[in-house]
Amino acid sequence: DSGVTQTPKHLITATGQRVTLRCSPRSGDLSVYWYQQSLDQGLQFLIQYYNGEERAKGNILERFSAQQFPDLHSELNLSSLELGDSALYFCASSPNEGDQFFGPGTRLTVL
Amino acid sequence: KNEVEQSPQNLTAQEGEFITINCSYSVGISALHWLQQHPGGGIVSLFMLSSGKKKHGRLIATINIQEKHSSLHITASHPRDSAVYICAPKPTSGTYKYIFGTGTRLKVLA
Repeated sequence: DSGVTQTPKHLITATGQRVTLRCSPRSGDLSVYWYQQSLDQGLQFLIQYYNGEERAKGNILERFSAQQFPDLHSELNLSSLELGDSALYFCASSPNEGDQFFGPGTRLTVL
Repeated sequence: KNEVEQSPQNLTAQEGEFITINCSYSVGISALHWLQQHPGGGIVSLFMLSSGKKKHGRLIATINIQEKHSSLHITASHPRDSAVYICAPKPTSGTYKYIFGTGTRLKVLA
């Protein structure tokens, strides 16, 4: 157990819908990273937050947004969902932008 | 051409064998992670390297920043090492963006 929690574990929704994925980092970790893993694209870095501020952006679509709250938990919002958004979404946390600790992931299925 | 190349893509070994997985990348980097993903999907970060060599138990990771190459070695392999191993270089682009290899699927037979 990495100490990082993600909810929900599984999510099934329809095209066009909007969902919110939640991540609680390890106690004291200031950095949160979001990743997407799909069968055809592999792992991709989406976005990083550090102590509430956006620190880096990767391959995150405009339909996706994220934020980190004062208690350091983070949410990834996915809107206007498409079939191709079906994937595993991981968050990871880090105390020092070095070693990362991954959550168990949220499996999103868009029908 | 992909920015990150891993080899081999698939590897089957007998228990006890010494295993090497290679990662080559084409961009300048400041560090590199090795990740392990088990069949259930969970990901564990094994190492973060910026130079030289690190060892943790039966796992050894090396990196040569100038040659743009890293290796992950597993000594005395065991069936529980069966997983996908992914290298993730961190480019020196001024951001914290990571890029990922496609992974090496390792199966260790008892």
